[in-house]
Amino acid sequence: EAGVAQSPRYKIIEKRQSVAFWCNPISGHATLYWYQQILGQGPKLLIQFQNNGVVDDSQLPKDRFSAERLKGVDSTLKIQPAKLEDSAVYLCASSQNRDWATIYFGEGSWLTVV
Amino acid sequence: AQRVTQPEKLLSVFKGAPVELKCNYSYSGSPELFWYVQYSRQRLQLLLRHISRESIKGFTADLNKGETSFHLKKPFAQEEDSAMYYCALSGSTGGFKTIFGAGTRLFVKA
Repeated sequence: EAGVAQSPRYKIIEKRQSVAFWCNPISGHATLYWYQQILGQGPKLLIQFQNNGVVDDSQLPKDRFSAERLKGVDSTLKIQPAKLEDSAVYLCASSQNRDWATIYFGEGSWLTVV
Repeated sequence: AQRVTQPEKLLSVFKGAPVELKCNYSYSGSPELFWYVQYSRQRLQLLLRHISRESIKGFTADLNKGETSFHLKKPFAQEEDSAMYYCALSGSTGGFKTIFGAGTRLFVKA
């Protein structure tokens, strides 16, 4: 079974620039998550999709972050404009309906904002 | 408020020694508790969950609702146990989502 795929793996941008991360969840997984993990901290949920609908985006900084999951499969997370404090690993994860609480993570996209 | 607290950022033990990684939680309702692990250069992955009552790689964890704790234990640590460990909580209160603690780095010395 293929795991959660993410790209790019690494990205360095200047502040005020924009960046987009892509995620392909495990086939058949209806729930998709984007987590932000700042160095030394645990993953923080940014947004959770159920199919192509948003379940929770309460911690997504909507003035600069956006995410979409068209057709209920792939997802894109965008940051525009980036700030220094956005430097983090962005983890995409997915889970299936019959066991939504078991989360499968991708390898993460490492963002450095300089 | 829902919260997961891991009081130790770093835990260092000798090979063969017992290890206990602490996790306390705050949740209004009946949560499901998990331990996730991240080995060097690998992705974050599920280690065990409390409803399974399993021992995975020699690790066990008991949910203590009175103390709101879910500590991870292993009687004899191995060098390959060195990793980052995250306690996590899932539940329906506030939406079906999972929140994570800050993590504890376990270092097992030879």
